[in-house]
Amino acid sequence: QQQVRQSPQSLTVWEGETAILNCSYEDSTFDYFPWYHQFPGESPALLIAIRPVSNKKEDGRFTIFFNKREKKFSLHIADSQPGDSATYFCASHNYAQGLTFGLGTRVSVFP
Amino acid sequence: NTKITQSPRYLILGRANKSLECEQHLGHNAMYWYKQSAEKPPELMFLYNLKQLIRNETVPSRFIPECPDSSKLLLHISAVDPEDSAVYFCASSQGQFSNERLFFGHGTKLSVL
Repeated sequence: QQQVRQSPQSLTVWEGETAILNCSYEDSTFDYFPWYHQFPGESPALLIAIRPVSNKKEDGRFTIFFNKREKKFSLHIADSQPGDSATYFCASHNYAQGLTFGLGTRVSVFP
Repeated sequence: NTKITQSPRYLILGRANKSLECEQHLGHNAMYWYKQSAEKPPELMFLYNLKQLIRNETVPSRFIPECPDSSKLLLHISAVDPEDSAVYFCASSQGQFSNERLFFGHGTKLSVL
C-alpha cells in the first residue's frame, strides 16, 4: 500500500506556465514533507520542504501548499523553465517509518 | 557532488562478489544506502547513525552493509540477482531522523548480467 500518493505521473507545461504537482498521505503522524527533484542521470536533491505548523512555504518560484485537514500538499512551480524539466518526488516522514517517497512526477517544460 | 563520493560509478556483475564504497565529507552522523530501480523512487535499504545500524529494511541477505567509521559506508554484494540491477545511492544527514535534508552521492549503477 502506497503511503504517499503522488499525481500526476507525468506533466507537460509550456515555458512560463505554472506546474502543479500533488501529493496526499494517510498517516497523521507524518511530520515533515519535502520535495526532491532528480535530473536524468543525477541523484535526488532537496528542493523545498515544509512542516505541519505552516500551510505555505515559498522559495523563489517554488511554493508548497499544505492542507493538514485534508492530508494533502502540493508543489507549484511558477514561471516554469525548460531547466525545471526533471522528476519530482514528494515525501513524508515520521519516526516509525522514516522518509517515504511518492512514486514521482516527470515534468517536461517546453519552450 | 564531491561532498559524498561513491565508487565505483558503474558496475557490471555476473556472479562475482563486490563492494560499493561511500565516503561523506559533511561531518554528518547518519548514513544511508538507497536502491533506485528504473522509473521508481529511492527505497531505503539501511540506515546507520554514529556507526550503529538503526534501520535494516527488508533486503535480501546477499546485501551486507558495513560502517567502518562515521564517514564511511560499504555495501557488500554477493551472488547478485537480475532484480538487483539498479542505482545504489549513498546518502547522509546530520542526524538519524530523516526529517531533515538528505544529501545523496552520485550513485553506483549496477548492471547484472
